Amino acid sequence: QQQVKQSPQSLIVQKGGIPIINCAYENTAFDYFPWYQQFPGKGPALLIAIRPDVSEKKEGRFTISFNKSAKQFSLHIMDSQPGDSATYFCAASIAGTYKYIFGTGTRLKVLA
Amino acid sequence: DVKVTQSSRYLVKRTGEKVFLECVQDMDHENMFWYRQDPGLGLRLIYFSYDVKMKEKGDIPEGYSVSREKKERFSLILESASTNQTSMYLCASRRTGLGETQYFGPGTRLLVL
Repeated sequence: QQQVKQSPQSLIVQKGGIPIINCAYENTAFDYFPWYQQFPGKGPALLIAIRPDVSEKKEGRFTISFNKSAKQFSLHIMDSQPGDSATYFCAASIAGTYKYIFGTGTRLKVLA
Repeated sequence: DVKVTQSSRYLVKRTGEKVFLECVQDMDHENMFWYRQDPGLGLRLIYFSYDVKMKEKGDIPEGYSVSREKKERFSLILESASTNQTSMYLCASRRTGLGETQYFGPGTRLLVL
């Protein structure tokens, strides 16, 4: 119930492609869904986040799509670049708690 | 600019040693967290602290303890290091409040021989 299932584990796309990373959850009490980006040797950094009252959020080339009824959310990277090569984590948290539940991560490689 | 620093980037210890990992944040955040990151398992919460001298167990607290004597500093202690504690350790902090972001440090890669 507390899990966030993330797929795929790894992804390779050509430059300009649109990689899509998916996450699914069971707990309907989750109400905040951030995505983190992590480069090798660095800590994760917040990329974009969404609440379940909206179905889509865009920030630059990054878009979160949220499907409340299916309990799924996904990250799309438009016009992907080699500099986007990193590990991406989705997460979920419950209002009033301090805890994030993280997905297992997706290693993305964008080929030049 | 937000800053979370960790005392060491790399650490090699022997089985049975006591290990201290230090984390300092300069943002006056109330909440601080320790995670471990392992391939295929993502980030798992070890302990968190929602205020000075306050702490709560996360999902995998066994073999670890923590200390928060000052608001800016949160220490993770491995009382008697074991090889299965070889991992990347990440510290994070956040302000109390709805939807507040967790900011992560660069991590400490610990190898226990």
